Amino acid sequence: QVQLVQSGAEVRQPGASVKISCKASGYLFTSYYLHWVRQAPGQGFEWMGLINPSGGDTFYSQRSQGRVTMTRDTSTSTVYMVLRNLRSEDTAVYYCARVPETGTPVRYFDSWGQGTLVTVSS
Amino acid sequence: YVLTQPPSVSVAPGKTATIPCGGNNIGTKSVHWYQQRPGQAPVLVIYDDNDRPSGIPERFSGSNSGNTATLTISRVEAGDEADYFCQVWVSGAQIVFGPGTEVTVL
Repeated sequence: QVQLVQSGAEVRQPGASVKISCKASGYLFTSYYLHWVRQAPGQGFEWMGLINPSGGDTFYSQRSQGRVTMTRDTSTSTVYMVLRNLRSEDTAVYYCARVPETGTPVRYFDSWGQGTLVTVSS
Repeated sequence: YVLTQPPSVSVAPGKTATIPCGGNNIGTKSVHWYQQRPGQAPVLVIYDDNDRPSGIPERFSGSNSGNTATLTISRVEAGDEADYFCQVWVSGAQIVFGPGTEVTVL
């Protein structure tokens, strides 16, 4: 079955960077786009961007542009997200999520990772 | 593009819960719905306005017209208590979520 397993919780100081991983299994990694979405405590979801695991091309939200980088490692079926220059308002649970249609960058998400809590605090 | 949802909806067991998702001409877009229980990742319950993924009960249904999409939960059970979020994608590959509706089963 499709599984997305994310790395564990992180604590960072303001101004630092964080790198989160999302390891995919149960399907052909390179055939389905993956996205990153975050949820601040008690809040709704904010879409951050997407990555094509096949070619590595990315597309970021306007708000994330300039501070986020998404990459992938096809040898381990893992995608990564780096968020730089962290601020307190970046404290959130970060999720990776899969689009279930081959080669389709944007639709809906049929599988989500378990989430990674990133806490930004001095 | 902004989506609106009521913060909360309360419903008695066995009754029907109706959760609206408002947006400008949302009827021209495909709307998807997620259920999120506390401390858990979201689960897709409706996609493309009114299709159900395998494993989702028939009690969950959706509609979309004009400026409002609607998630309907029939014969509500205690286990349906959760937050429900609508989602669309707009031009430029942007994904937008509604703010979520907390469903309370009385």
